[in-house]
Amino acid sequence: DIQMTQSPSSLSASVGDRVTITCRASQGISNFLAWFQVKPGKAPKSLIYAASSLQTGVPSRFSGSGSGTDFTLTISSLQPEDFATYYCQHYSNYPRTFGQGTRLEIK
Amino acid sequence: EVQLVESGGTLAQPGRSLRLSCTVSGFTFDVYAMNWVRQAPGKGLEWVGFVRNKTYGATTEYAASVKGRFTVSRDDSRSIAYLQMDSLKPEDTAIYYCSRLNYEDSNGYYPDYWGQGTLVTVSS
Repeated sequence: DIQMTQSPSSLSASVGDRVTITCRASQGISNFLAWFQVKPGKAPKSLIYAASSLQTGVPSRFSGSGSGTDFTLTISSLQPEDFATYYCQHYSNYPRTFGQGTRLEIK
Repeated sequence: EVQLVESGGTLAQPGRSLRLSCTVSGFTFDVYAMNWVRQAPGKGLEWVGFVRNKTYGATTEYAASVKGRFTVSRDDSRSIAYLQMDSLKPEDTAIYYCSRLNYEDSNGYYPDYWGQGTLVTVSS
């Protein structure tokens, strides 16, 4: 199974900050990587697919990059609604595995 | 508007069965594969399994932790995806989310829309 490792596990930041979350795959997955935002009691939101393609309706302050084993999710200017937990997931083969999550908190 | 609504979550005893439903609207259901993901209390997301559309034989894939116990299926006439959960264990306690899987030849299957989830508690 491919292991997905996110860092950091948690992050404190302020509105307006630029933040970057990293995701590393235990073996190459080309660009078969997605990012999701999860808030308690709400439907998860898909942000990025194919490592860098923005899902429909996602604000342009979100961006993704990477290929192979190393990936990043960047939020260019944090907004209050962005405080949540973020997950990466590969879809290169089976089983699909998620990173352990990065909790983004207000400083 | 694309909507996915999960239902069927409840308290169940270990060893019993439960069937979850994911009722969708706002898109042509039979075109898409459908996916299930769960989140145990205080834990991260865990992929459970998915069913392809009929063009691909409605074939399925599962995580090792549920293979042989859980079955994903679909009723295209009713626009519903199902997760049949048999031989339930306490570690199956989680919020269960369904999601739509988009497919592109160059990108494979990836989730785009999600439901809000339904809570399954397995306890005696």
